[in-house]
Amino acid sequence: AQSVSQHNHHVILSEAASLELGCNYSYGGTVNLFWYVQYPGQHLQLLLKYFSGDPLVKGIKGFEAEFIKSKFSFNLRKPSVQWSDTAEYFCAVNAQNQGGKLIFGQGTELSVKP
Amino acid sequence: DGGITQSPKYLFRKEGQNVTLSCEQNLNHDAMYWYRQDPGQGLRLIYYSQIVNDFQKGDIAEGYSVSREKKESFPLTVTSAQKNPTAFYLCASTTKTGMNTEAFFGQGTRLTVV
Repeated sequence: AQSVSQHNHHVILSEAASLELGCNYSYGGTVNLFWYVQYPGQHLQLLLKYFSGDPLVKGIKGFEAEFIKSKFSFNLRKPSVQWSDTAEYFCAVNAQNQGGKLIFGQGTELSVKP
Repeated sequence: DGGITQSPKYLFRKEGQNVTLSCEQNLNHDAMYWYRQDPGQGLRLIYYSQIVNDFQKGDIAEGYSVSREKKESFPLTVTSAQKNPTAFYLCASTTKTGMNTEAFFGQGTRLTVV
């Protein structure tokens, strides 16, 4: 069973709506956390990453994510989505006790209606 | 330009045949990975290699084989033992093994069994 969970499989929003995509993981100890995006027909791109320090991470295109260690969560947020944000979003975790493997969640498909 | 090159982009295979997917990187990255992407299941790790001439099984290694004879290359063979090989395959690399490194992805190969 995967140990990175994205609870929203498909999210549909109108332009200018706020976005929050959930990500939870089950690994203890030190973790690196990532959000990747896959636009239609394109390869995976890094949106943002957390290694250490400030748990609120700013990424590209106005996205941000907050690492809450006590909740094993790394939710992705954007205050106002655009039609061009339509894509699939993947949360990923690299846990120190997992031998260097990068483990992905199931992905969340975001559709933004103009 | 530095990057990861996967070839071919589309591949068709008859049932019972082995097929090899190519992945080459010129980023001088130590670690390389193969993932399989299926709708609703995210990216699942097939194999990864942290150093030349060494590799480890991921979560779904059955029916697949890899080699890492050169730092730049990490080909994946889909064997006839893989029961459901039709999928999108992604290759990735990271600068180093362990923590505090991000993955870069190739464009992917879509394999269809006919």
